[in-house]
Amino acid sequence: QQQVKQSPQSLIVQKGGISIINCAYENTAFDYFPWYQQFPGKGPALLIAIRPDVSEKKEGRFTISFNKSAKQFSLHIMDSQPGDSATYFCAASFSGSARQLTFGSGTQLTVLP
Amino acid sequence: EAQVTQNPRYLITVTGKKLTVTCSQNMNHEYMSWYRQDPGLGLRQIYYSMNVEVTDKGDVPEGYKVSRKEKRNFPLILESPSPNQTSLYFCASRSAGPSYEQYFGPGTRLTVT
Repeated sequence: QQQVKQSPQSLIVQKGGISIINCAYENTAFDYFPWYQQFPGKGPALLIAIRPDVSEKKEGRFTISFNKSAKQFSLHIMDSQPGDSATYFCAASFSGSARQLTFGSGTQLTVLP
Repeated sequence: EAQVTQNPRYLITVTGKKLTVTCSQNMNHEYMSWYRQDPGLGLRQIYYSMNVEVTDKGDVPEGYKVSRKEKRNFPLILESPSPNQTSLYFCASRSAGPSYEQYFGPGTRLTVT
């Protein structure tokens, strides 16, 4: 059972454009929603995370938008750069859970120069 | 440097030949996990551990074993590997504290022929 659905599977954006990746979750008990960035040959690394008590969190060019009623959250990358080309994973978890994270299927982002 | 290390990074083996992938972290983290990454499926949790001698199954535990005899180490054991276990494997760790950030190792590319 896929508890976190991510789209699109791949995304091509021109340099300077906005990249948008969407995720939807099913379990309303989730209360921690991170995004991980993975470069080829590397392990995923935390990019930005949000909790459901806020609707938006911004760190530099990266913004998470969160819609609790729709059970959806998205990653926006403003002024996308070729160095942002990577695979992005959304994930979800429960507070205090040792069970770790449930990941989406990933989005391969390519930013053209 | 805070890190999660895995060995080996690449492994080609044959069906049925027992193997162990080692994982070690130097951050004194309580929680450790193993994930496998397959195209279109994202990262799926195999096993996780909350502390020494405390382990539990994740989403895809069949065909795998783990042990946690020391806090820093969490080896993944494939007693009788099969071709469907060909995958990219990641070990991860995080503290039991309020930060839910997981730190991933560099990955182990396993091919079972």
